[in-house]
Amino acid sequence: SQTIHQWPATLVQPVGSPLSLECTVEGTSNPNLYWYRQAAGRGLQLLFYSVGIGQISSEVPQNLSASRPQDRQFILSSKKLLLSDSGFYLCAWPGTGDAGELFFGEGSRLTVL
Amino acid sequence: AQKVTQAQTEISVVEKEDVTLDCVYETRDTTYYLFWYKQPPSGELVFLIRRNSFDEQNEISGRYSWNFQKSTSSFNFTITASQVVDSAVYFCALSEAQAGGSYIPTFGRGTSLIVHP
Repeated sequence: SQTIHQWPATLVQPVGSPLSLECTVEGTSNPNLYWYRQAAGRGLQLLFYSVGIGQISSEVPQNLSASRPQDRQFILSSKKLLLSDSGFYLCAWPGTGDAGELFFGEGSRLTVL
Repeated sequence: AQKVTQAQTEISVVEKEDVTLDCVYETRDTTYYLFWYKQPPSGELVFLIRRNSFDEQNEISGRYSWNFQKSTSSFNFTITASQVVDSAVYFCALSEAQAGGSYIPTFGRGTSLIVHP
């Protein structure tokens, strides 16, 4: 079966520290993958999406970067976290659909202190 | 550019009440898709429904129903006889074709529904 997982589930990091959130998909090959951020009290903001290995599109200029080292792996990173990076990060993929419906991982809650 | 507006930030109801969550969208495309997602307290978003722009038939699934009206650019979601388990944040989303043919959804800010026992 096709599933999506992300980790860690919860992370508390000091300002200026690095970040790495990982997302993997099982049961499919070379899917489109997406990183969204949900800040407190706000909607979902698309950060990055990837249509294949090494192919990353950035939607919002910011302190974060993404990489796609393998076709089923999508990594969200930062070299130096800011307080404003706090939020709930969600990885998603379209499943077998082709019209934009997305299926999400469990989410990673990041608190920057 | 596509845009989704969920004007209701928070709705509070008592169990067994009916509740409607509003969603208004903007798009210049004639082909687009609309979605609703549920985000329970656990945080993971759950896909509920997809509607394409050529199908204005309303849909009912158990206690859930959706009213798509192109004339008012709205895609409202009604929960009949609400239950405590319906408490969640609900997101409306819109996708239209991007360069390269992929569809990437834009989400509204969400409506927090609180159902009291």
